[in-house]
Amino acid sequence: GNSVTQMEGPVTLSEEAFLTINCTYTATGYPSLFWYVQYPGEGLQLLLKATKADDKGSNKGFEATYRKETTSFHLEKGSVQVSDSAVYFCALINQAGTALIFGKGTTLSVSS
Amino acid sequence: KAGVTQTPRYLIKTRGQQVTLSCSPISGHRSVSWYQQTPGQGLQFLFEYFSETQRNKGNFPGRFSGRQFSNSRSEMNVSTLELGDSALYLCASNSGDRAYEQYFGPGTRLTVT
Repeated sequence: GNSVTQMEGPVTLSEEAFLTINCTYTATGYPSLFWYVQYPGEGLQLLLKATKADDKGSNKGFEATYRKETTSFHLEKGSVQVSDSAVYFCALINQAGTALIFGKGTTLSVSS
Repeated sequence: KAGVTQTPRYLIKTRGQQVTLSCSPISGHRSVSWYQQTPGQGLQFLFEYFSETQRNKGNFPGRFSGRQFSNSRSEMNVSTLELGDSALYLCASNSGDRAYEQYFGPGTRLTVT
């Protein structure tokens, strides 16, 4: 079945450091892929998405490219800020388009 | 536009009781999904409703049920609560036309004692 695997956290970085959070998936076909972010005490917010192979999603300085050859969708940011501290979830949509399948989440902590 | 709202935000129940959680989607959205979030299992899909019909269901026991009303508001019910049902329950809505544009509410934190 469909599944998402993302790197275990926590990831601890200093402000302005480069961020990579790895995400790989197993799926039938080429599902849409997403990164969601959850700030403390809040629900999930869609950070970025890619709907087909080689698409690059981007938002707020974050980027991720849909790589079908490596079945990956790694999240990157060139210079993190303290305000980026949150839990990041990689996800794909199921074939019916009715459910998101999430990775376990990666906690990012950025210190000044 | 108002976001997805969930009530109550926090709930404490005792084992064996039942609970009902409510979700009001973004105006105009016809699809509502529910997810359970726990530290051990992460985010797991419970079910999805579209125009009052359940379109998809996750792998949860029959104690978990839901429904959707004609105004798209949704409720989920958990009967015979167990300690393991303690979790953050998240509701998400979308227009139904672009399934991946899901907008999440803040969640209901359920604690079972």
